[in-house]
Amino acid sequence: SQQGEEDPQALSIQEGENATMNCSYKTSINNLQWYRQNSGRGLVHLILIRSNEREKHSGRLRVTLDTSKKSSSLLITASRAADTASYFCATYIIQGAQKLVFGQGTRLTINP
Amino acid sequence: EPEVTQTPSHQVTQMGQEVILRCVPISNHLYFYWYRQILGQKVEFLVSFYNNEISEKSEIFDDQFSVERPDGSNFTLKIRSTKLEDSAMYFCASRTSGSRDTQYFGPGTRLTVL
Repeated sequence: SQQGEEDPQALSIQEGENATMNCSYKTSINNLQWYRQNSGRGLVHLILIRSNEREKHSGRLRVTLDTSKKSSSLLITASRAADTASYFCATYIIQGAQKLVFGQGTRLTINP
Repeated sequence: EPEVTQTPSHQVTQMGQEVILRCVPISNHLYFYWYRQILGQKVEFLVSFYNNEISEKSEIFDDQFSVERPDGSNFTLKIRSTKLEDSAMYFCASRTSGSRDTQYFGPGTRLTVL
């Protein structure tokens, strides 16, 4: 698999439930970021977690990072219909330049 | 809140034609990027630009592609002779000088090559 693989590829839940998306990566990273993309639109930055951090919160978002397992999770609590979007993790690898490497994304659908 | 802007939002062109996609990065940012996303696929890095020169480019960024910062505000991506497979969403991004900080993305230009 490639750097930044999300799991599941698609997730459908009821409004009010929590949504958890996972991301795995292969190489050592400097930080990991999560982005949201509404259908056919741009990428909105959600949260950045550095390699020396284990957990970070922002509003209804909670991100964890386990560098030993090379994985991260994004939890959205109390989901809303407006959270329907694709969610991507992206990493800066330690070696190399300053580009982000994106995963395939998880398509999240919140049913009213 | 400052944001990255891109024009046009949608560009339709004939195969073999040249296109220029335009971006206005956030004003105090120093690093600029182009990414693309073919429909249904992941976002792929094309090129990074710093201090008026390319700092890194991907295999996708061949001789048909070029970037320019013609003035203090615009950042452009030119495709000299478009191919059908260039059809994609093209995103511009920028960031400050902090090492590996957040990249802020524009809304994208959807390029359709017929």
